[in-house]
Amino acid sequence: GDQVEQSPSALSLHEGTGSALRCNFTTTMRAVQWFRKNSRGSLINLFYLASGTKENGRLKSAFDSKERYSTLHIRDAQLEDSGTYFCAAEGPGSFNKLTFGAGTRLAVCP
Amino acid sequence: NSKVIQTPRYLVKGQGQKAKMRCIPEKGHPVVFWYQQNKNNEFKFLINFQNQEVLQQIDMTEKRFSAECPSNSPCSLEIQSSEAGDSALYLCASGTGGPNERLFFGHGTKLSVL
Repeated sequence: GDQVEQSPSALSLHEGTGSALRCNFTTTMRAVQWFRKNSRGSLINLFYLASGTKENGRLKSAFDSKERYSTLHIRDAQLEDSGTYFCAAEGPGSFNKLTFGAGTRLAVCP
Repeated sequence: NSKVIQTPRYLVKGQGQKAKMRCIPEKGHPVVFWYQQNKNNEFKFLINFQNQEVLQQIDMTEKRFSAECPSNSPCSLEIQSSEAGDSALYLCASGTGGPNERLFFGHGTKLSVL
């Protein structure tokens, strides 16, 4: 079946710094979504990309279907960015059914 | 961010008991998904609907779960006979079903099977 490999599994950042999360796909995906699970357990939808890049505040995401990867860049990390980040990809013809990565646990420290 | 409402927030059942959870999708969203997230954060797709019709479901869901999305009522997912391995967070998501559309998740129902 479709596989989504997400890295790193855990990440620690100091406030004000940045980093990137990555998902590699074993097959061609039609689109990708990125989510953050916050301390309350809510799964917040950050981005939907069918191609190219999108930016929202301090977050920027890219998706390359041909090269089979997506990235999520976080810059100027804040304490409230802490949480677990998931990428989730749609295979062709999957009617929005998502295959999730294993998640990246991000801790932002003062 | 999300207006998907799931109840109850927590559910505790004994093995062999039925376990029923409900989901009200965002208004105007005809597509509903159910996912199971285990303690290792792994997501498993269970079933999806468009309006009242089942689009896809996995074998486990077909055999052990009862799910529906009736018109003008909450969607529901019910395990007919709970097993310890069913302990997980059950997430409902809704969307418009169109191309380039995001899915929005509820807070989930955390099921513990004792």
